[in-house]
Amino acid sequence: EVQLVESGGGLVRPGGSLRLSCAASGFTFSSYSMNWVRQAPGKGLEWVSATSPDSTYIYYADSVKGRFTISRDNARNSLYLQMNGLRAEDTAVYYCARGGITSITDYWGQGTLVTVSS
Amino acid sequence: QSALTQPASVSGSPGQSITISCIGTNSDIGGYKYVSWYQQHPGKAPKLMIYEVTNRPSGVSDRFSGSKSGNTASLTISGLQAEDEADYYCSSYASSDTLIFGGGTKLTVL
Repeated sequence: EVQLVESGGGLVRPGGSLRLSCAASGFTFSSYSMNWVRQAPGKGLEWVSATSPDSTYIYYADSVKGRFTISRDNARNSLYLQMNGLRAEDTAVYYCARGGITSITDYWGQGTLVTVSS
Repeated sequence: QSALTQPASVSGSPGQSITISCIGTNSDIGGYKYVSWYQQHPGKAPKLMIYEVTNRPSGVSDRFSGSKSGNTASLTISGLQAEDEADYYCSSYASSDTLIFGGGTKLTVL
């Protein structure tokens, strides 16, 4: 069974940093592209970033480019999102999802809440 | 990276069919086959319902179907059931090497 479990969310002050993790199981993690997608409270889905299976290709939404860094450790079956320079508008539930920008995004974790507030 | 345009809400009675539209541009929906649809119930993670415009993942009811014409993609749900009440989102690959979502449509089953 495919499982994606996010962690690392919490309350952080504007300008602060946070590192999200996503532990994957039930599939060959190293064979799949992975996405981060977020959802602000009461709002729609917003794609954040994606990485190819071997991290050769990495993509970001303009809204996070230069502030967020996606990475993965295939040996640990884990996906990460380093978030720096956080802003109030980054407040959201962050989901990791199996798939990339042109491959099927078929499984999603339950999400981790990031709150940016003073 | 403008969001795709979806109606804010649609409604239908049990047994009826409804269609949700998703309007994009030549640089996203119109230019590629990478259109997906997701269903999201309150407090839950999104669930993939349609991928690559028309394909249904294993386990998704055949009451759900997808199509595309020009820059507009559509999700049709036939034989509406109470459990179909949820938010629905479209997504598409865009030529800027990004993934864009629609704003979401709230489906109410009357």
